[in-house]
Amino acid sequence: LAKTTQPISMDSYEGQEVNITCSHNNIATNDYITWYQQFPSQGPRFIIQGYKTKVTNEVASLFIPADRKSSTLSLPRVSLSDTAVYYCLVGGNTGGFKTIFGAGTRLFVKA
Amino acid sequence: EAQVTQNPRYLITVTGKKLTVTCSQNMNHEYMSWYRQDPGLGLRQIYYSMNVEVTDKGDVPEGYKVSRKEKRNFPLILESPSPNQTSLYFCASSLYGGLNEKLFFGSGTQLSVL
Repeated sequence: LAKTTQPISMDSYEGQEVNITCSHNNIATNDYITWYQQFPSQGPRFIIQGYKTKVTNEVASLFIPADRKSSTLSLPRVSLSDTAVYYCLVGGNTGGFKTIFGAGTRLFVKA
Repeated sequence: EAQVTQNPRYLITVTGKKLTVTCSQNMNHEYMSWYRQDPGLGLRQIYYSMNVEVTDKGDVPEGYKVSRKEKRNFPLILESPSPNQTSLYFCASSLYGGLNEKLFFGSGTQLSVL
């Protein structure tokens, strides 16, 4: 399992773009990068997953540089409802039925 | 609708009184897992199951039991609950358990052991 490092917390204002970076220096060749969002007292929810370059869906974009040792979750024009904890997970389809969620990044969006 | 269903949502019990938290998924997933979440400690894995009758310990299995007799159900059993098991519990499932798969989580069970 690749160890990940994220900022503990971030603040933003409504309408701004928020970028949360995750470091994963020991990412393996077959590993994917997956981000989850968790609201208070709710289960984490899948946001986006990528392997390399850029992935975009209706919720977010994920930027992965060529060396794949980090990734950036980009949330465009955040609103108050985006206040949540965001987790970065890195792993593949082998060697890891255990899942390790780090502390995540607590994003607080202000009006 | 694809979902993971946990019950109950809230549970208050007393020390030593056996309890079961149920978890069911309707996606025909082979992999299921239990987590507990405590303030400042994030999500910690308790047990997981890769298929029927196949279970294994996560990082914090002490005081818990699980069983996987059917693919869709994965109950969490506390034989003799103690106050340090007061926590928010989540069940999750995915197709085969790889970290390159999407994990689906239940809504959570807030357990208080008095």
